[in-house]
Amino acid sequence: GEDVEQSLFLSVREGDSSVINCTYTDSSSTYLYWYKQEPGAGLQLLTYIFSNMDMKQDQRLTVLLNKKDKHLSLRIADTQTGDSAIYFCAVPRPGSARQLTFGSGTQLTVLP
Amino acid sequence: DTGVSQNPRHKITKRGQNVTFRCDPISEHNRLYWYRQTLGQGPEFLTYFQNEAQLEKSRLLSDRFSAERPKGSFSTLEIQRTEQGDSAMYLCASSFSLASGRKYNEQFFGPGTRLTVL
Repeated sequence: GEDVEQSLFLSVREGDSSVINCTYTDSSSTYLYWYKQEPGAGLQLLTYIFSNMDMKQDQRLTVLLNKKDKHLSLRIADTQTGDSAIYFCAVPRPGSARQLTFGSGTQLTVLP
Repeated sequence: DTGVSQNPRHKITKRGQNVTFRCDPISEHNRLYWYRQTLGQGPEFLTYFQNEAQLEKSRLLSDRFSAERPKGSFSTLEIQRTEQGDSAMYLCASSFSLASGRKYNEQFFGPGTRLTVL
């Protein structure tokens, strides 16, 4: 079955860039997603990338996709304390664009 | 607030009891999803509805679990004979998608119902 891996923790200093990585074993050729989860809150879609793109930039967020290596990354520029949260990548299951497989999440801690 | 809502937010029950959760999706959304999230893990897909039809179910959804979306609006998830392993956060999400449209599928999540089985 589908396997999505993320590193569990990342700490950065305020103002630095954060890079959160995700690898997956298989995916439908559709969209791949990054979600953010803050304590006590539901998941919020941050950004997405279509599988025929290598890069997508959205303000402080840059998503890179390497389909050959099945590697997805999220870069947050000028990281702020408000960016502290858990970040999940989500990949559609092959044969079902509606079934998302989530990674276990990366806890981002932004230090002042 | 026009987001996805879930009730109750917290439920504590004794092992063996039945529980039911409710999800109210965003009103114009035709798709509704249930996920389960345990501590330190990402959400795991349970089931999905297109309007009132339950189209996909995960192998995680054992016989003790049943979900309905009778009029294509709100949905309920029932767990019968709860076990301690059912303790988790149950998340509902909704999305809108045209049958013939592209496969972009932004799912909007509710705050979840946290179930504790004693």
